[in-house]
Amino acid sequence: SSELTQGPDVSVGLGQTVTITCQGDSLRYNYASWYQQKPGQAPVLVIYGQNTRPSGIPDRFSGSDSGTTASLTITAAQAEDEAYYYCNCRDTSDTPHWAFGGGTKVTVL
Amino acid sequence: EVQLVESGGGLVQPGGSLRLSCAASGFTLGDFEMHWVRQAPGKGLEWISYISNTGYHISYSDSVRGRFTVSRDNANPSLYLHMTSLRAGDSALYYCARGYSSRTTGEFFFDVWGQGVLVTVSS
Repeated sequence: SSELTQGPDVSVGLGQTVTITCQGDSLRYNYASWYQQKPGQAPVLVIYGQNTRPSGIPDRFSGSDSGTTASLTITAAQAEDEAYYYCNCRDTSDTPHWAFGGGTKVTVL
Repeated sequence: EVQLVESGGGLVQPGGSLRLSCAASGFTLGDFEMHWVRQAPGKGLEWISYISNTGYHISYSDSVRGRFTVSRDNANPSLYLHMTSLRAGDSALYYCARGYSSRTTGEFFFDVWGQGVLVTVSS
């Protein structure tokens, strides 16, 4: 199955740390990628692979994985980190399919 | 500047057809796989289609297979999505995205996104 399940919406205090999760069978074989989406904007890639940030993404964003669960951590969250975050992964079939998690809203208090 | 710009959206009646375009600039389209991702109003992201860099390999989500057709023209660097038998549930913002895949390392991601084009299916 290529389905991905994300955890509930979360709130984090300014400067505090928050971790959001993504579960799915495909994560046992492939890495998740993570996307940040702010209102009215296109998604932006923030983490891919084992724990790689594209150019321009602050180092307070980090990723990890264990078995069928991938996690995105924001350390010392800033007001501008308030957004929806989506995980994504490709399945292992020969005819490739990708799936997004349902999204997690991160609110910075 | 690496850029993707979608066009071709609009209002269409149920059962109608529409063709979306995605113009690529700032990079060599033929070096990259491409994807279409959509987002219904107030909802999450939904991957709907993939096309390999040469156009030889193609796949679709179950929700659009048999109704949507993806294609590309690397010489006139553009990606296309031909949508037929449109339903109200197809109403969404449609994004094109540049993809990267490595079955060796298990890394798969979309690193460049367009701003999206709105498709509304309604009578």
